Amino acid sequence: EAQVTQNPRYLITVTGKKLTVTCSQNMNHEYMSWYRQDPGLGLRQIYYSMNVEVTDKGDVPEGYKVSRKEKRNFPLILESPSPNQTSLYFCASSFTPPPPGDTQYFGPGTRLTVL
Amino acid sequence: AQKITQTQPGMFVQEKEAVTLDCTYDTSDQSYGLFWYKQPSSGEMIFLIYQGSYDEQNATEGRYSLNFQKARKSANLVISASQLGDSAMYFCAMREGLQGAQKLVFGQGTRLTINP
Repeated sequence: EAQVTQNPRYLITVTGKKLTVTCSQNMNHEYMSWYRQDPGLGLRQIYYSMNVEVTDKGDVPEGYKVSRKEKRNFPLILESPSPNQTSLYFCASSFTPPPPGDTQYFGPGTRLTVL
Repeated sequence: AQKITQTQPGMFVQEKEAVTLDCTYDTSDQSYGLFWYKQPSSGEMIFLIYQGSYDEQNATEGRYSLNFQKARKSANLVISASQLGDSAMYFCAMREGLQGAQKLVFGQGTRLTINP
C-alpha cells in the first residue's frame, strides 16, 4: 500500500529535550516536505527536500532541522523544543515534477505538545 | 500577503443541503493548481479535488465540484447533498507553477458542521 508514515503519532515532551519525528514514504517520491498546522493559520511549510541531500527552508524553519540521507526518509529534528512548537505536524511527499492534478501524499500527522 | 483566503471560519448546514465553501487566491503565475482537502476530527488530510489553471471545465469528483472563476481568482468547493460525515475542517490550497515548484500554500480553513 502506498503510504507516508510518521512516528510518533503523539508526543508530549518538555522544553529543551531534543526530539526527532520520523517520516518515511514507499512511493519512490523525490519531493518531501514538512508542514505544521496551527488553529487559524492553516498549514505552513517548515522545510522541504527536492531529492537526497537537497533540502531547503520553507516559511517557518526556525527551531527545526531536517536531513535527507535516503530517498524514503525525511526526519524532522527539534534540537531544543519550546512551547511555541506545540502543533500538529504533517509530512508529505510527491514526484518531481508532479503529474498534473497529482496531489502531495500526506502522512497521518504527529501531534506534539511541548510543556 | 495572504495567498489563499478562506473567509468562512465556520459553517453550519442542514443535512442533504448543498454547501459552498469559499476560497480566493492570489498569484501572478499563469500556471498553478488549486486543491481542496478535508480534515476530519481524526486529523488526517484527505485530498478531495484538483483544478488546474488551464482547465476550461470545472473539476468534479462525485458530490464535490469546484466552481473555478479564474478572472475573479476564486475556487469555491461545492458539496451537493451534504451528509453527516461531511462534518470536518476543509482547506483550500494552491501550488504555483506546474514544473518543479511544489510548495502547497494553504488557507486558514473552514470548519463545516452538518446538522441532522
